Amino acid sequence: KQEVTQIPAALSVPEGENLVLNCSFTDSAIYNLQWFRQDPGKGLTSLLLIQSSQREQTSGRLNASLDKSSGRSTLYIAASQPGDSATYLCAVGTARGSNYKLTFGKGTLLTVNP
Amino acid sequence: ETGVTQSPTHLIKTRGQQVTLRCSSQSGHNTVSWYQQALGQGPQFIFQYYREEENGRGNFPPRFSGLQFPNYSSELNVNALELDDSALYLCASSLRYNYGYTFGSGTRLTVV
Repeated sequence: KQEVTQIPAALSVPEGENLVLNCSFTDSAIYNLQWFRQDPGKGLTSLLLIQSSQREQTSGRLNASLDKSSGRSTLYIAASQPGDSATYLCAVGTARGSNYKLTFGKGTLLTVNP
Repeated sequence: ETGVTQSPTHLIKTRGQQVTLRCSSQSGHNTVSWYQQALGQGPQFIFQYYREEENGRGNFPPRFSGLQFPNYSSELNVNALELDDSALYLCASSLRYNYGYTFGSGTRLTVV
C-alpha cells in the first residue's frame, strides 16, 4: 500500500526566503508525481507534474525534483511571497493497467509573512 | 477552455439521507475521478470513471456509487449518510492519467 508523507507539516517564513518542501513515498513503482496548492476551503490547483522518467520540472519560481529510487520529491520555492501562503500537497500517481489513482500526503501548511 | 465545475458548493444533509453531487469535466477530458477530503487530511481516492465505466475504486463502501454520462460529466451518490461522511468532495478530470489531473473547487458536505 502506497503511503505518502510530507515534512514539515507547517512552515512559517519571512517574505523573500527560499524554501523546500519534502515529500516521501513508500513504493517506488510510481507512474508520476504531482504537486498541488490548496487555499483554505478551496479545491486543488496543479503546480507541477513529474513523470516517473523525469528528474525535475520547473515553472516560474517553482522547481520540483523526483528521486524515484529513494522515494523522495522536493518542491523548491524561490523568493517566497505572501501570496504563496497555502497548503501544498504532494500526490503520487500509481497505475494498474488503466486503473490509475493519486495517493496524497497530508500537506504542508506554508505561511509567508510580509 | 472551461475547467472542472462542481455543484452544489455547499450542502447540509441529515444522517441517513441520500445525496448526489455533480461534476462537469474539463472540455476534452474523458476520465473523471472523485476524492474525499476530511478536515486536515489529504484527499482519499473514491473511484474513477473512464468512458462511462468504473475502472478503479478506493477503500469506500458500496453506498458510495457513481455515474459517468456520454458527455463525460459525472455524479457521485452517497446513500445512508453517516456523520463521518462530512468532508470536501473533489472531482478531477484528465485526458489521460499521464497528463495529470485538473481538480474542481469541491462540494462541502456536512452531515448532521
